[in-house]
Amino acid sequence: DNQMTQSPSSLSASVGDSVTITCRASQGIRNHLAWFQQKAGKAPKSLIYAVSSLQSGVPSRFSGSGSGTDFTLTINSLQPDDFATYYCQQYDTYPLNFGGGTKVEI
Amino acid sequence: EVQLVESGGGLVQPGGSLRLSCEASGFTFSDPYMDWVRQAPGKGPEWVGRIRNKAMGYTTEYAASLNGRFTISRDDSQNSVYLHMSSLKTEDTAVYYCAREVRDNSAFYYFANWGQGTLVTVSS
Repeated sequence: DNQMTQSPSSLSASVGDSVTITCRASQGIRNHLAWFQQKAGKAPKSLIYAVSSLQSGVPSRFSGSGSGTDFTLTINSLQPDDFATYYCQQYDTYPLNFGGGTKVEI
Repeated sequence: EVQLVESGGGLVQPGGSLRLSCEASGFTFSDPYMDWVRQAPGKGPEWVGRIRNKAMGYTTEYAASLNGRFTISRDDSQNSVYLHMSSLKTEDTAVYYCAREVRDNSAFYYFANWGQGTLVTVSS
């Protein structure tokens, strides 16, 4: 299986900050990498697919980058609505799997 | 607006069976792949399985860890996808989400939309 490792597992930030979350795959996944946001008690929400393509309706302060095995999600000018847990996910090979999550806290 | 509404969750005893349903609206249901993803309490999401569309023969893929206990089916005429679960174990306790997959520019499928989930509790 292709293991997805996220770091950090949690971080504290303030409104207006920029934050970066890292996701590393144990094997190359080309550009088949997605990011999701999940708030407590809610379903995940798609943010980014194909490493850097924003899902419709997602604010442009979210951006993704990377290639091969190393990827990042950056949130610029953090807003109150952005405090949540973020997951990366590879969809290159089976089983489709997710990183362990990064909780962004105030 | 894309909507996915799961139902069928509840309390079931170990060794029991359950069928979850997901009814879709707001898009042409026959086009995308459909998946089930689960999330145990306090854990991250875990992919359960996928069913492809008619053009791909409704073929399925599953997480190996399930050991053949779960089966996914779909009824395009009902805009619905189903998850049949058998030989349930306490570790199957989770919120179960259905998800709609669409193609990216490289013709790989990614999760674009999620339902609100339905809770399955396996306990005696």
